[in-house]
Amino acid sequence: QKEVEQDPGPLSVPEGAIVSLNCTYSNSAFQYFMWYRQYSRKGPELLMYTYSSGNKEDGRFTAQVDKSSKYISLFIRDSQPSDSATYLCAMSDMGGNNRLAFGKGNQVVVIP
Amino acid sequence: DGGITQSPKYLFRKEGQNVTLSCEQNLNHDAMYWYRQDPGQGLRLIYYSQIVNDFQKGDIAEGYSVSREKKESFPLTVTSAQKNPTAFYLCASSRDPRRGETQYFGPGTRLLVL
Repeated sequence: QKEVEQDPGPLSVPEGAIVSLNCTYSNSAFQYFMWYRQYSRKGPELLMYTYSSGNKEDGRFTAQVDKSSKYISLFIRDSQPSDSATYLCAMSDMGGNNRLAFGKGNQVVVIP
Repeated sequence: DGGITQSPKYLFRKEGQNVTLSCEQNLNHDAMYWYRQDPGQGLRLIYYSQIVNDFQKGDIAEGYSVSREKKESFPLTVTSAQKNPTAFYLCASSRDPRRGETQYFGPGTRLLVL
């Protein structure tokens, strides 16, 4: 079983819809959870960062972490064509070397 | 303007040739990382360094080498021993690696084999 599982998609939605992305993981030691957005042929950019369980909201983006289920989610409200990108989940423990475990990425296409 | 720079944007390697990818950061971050990204495979860690003059192998270090002589620089050499080097290479950095700090990425270098 891979450490982090993420459905690669692609996921196509009409403009204005809610995008829902998720990752599952197997390592219960993970404490830090991140979502990165990556446009084609660019480096990933940090979108959301959360510690432990709970919700975090930033504008149209909401990140949720459920450690009991080993499940994290990212929601994008009022999706725009500019949200079309690949979204990567990443997570780490407190092992001292800050190594991140990444999902494979989920490609999202927002259709105008 | 703080950030991470990678050069070149595209790099072509001939058979049996070693090539070096540059990564520089002016964020005063302690830790730096090199990842390889292949289609459908996600990001895989090649090497990482938590402090100057020290570095550790990641999950796919074979055929690669690094150095960390300065805090702001972490070059990656793809040696001739790496038989399948075509990929998108990403450099990242973070502050104190002991505290789960977020990693920030550069724009990447695309390596192609002639």
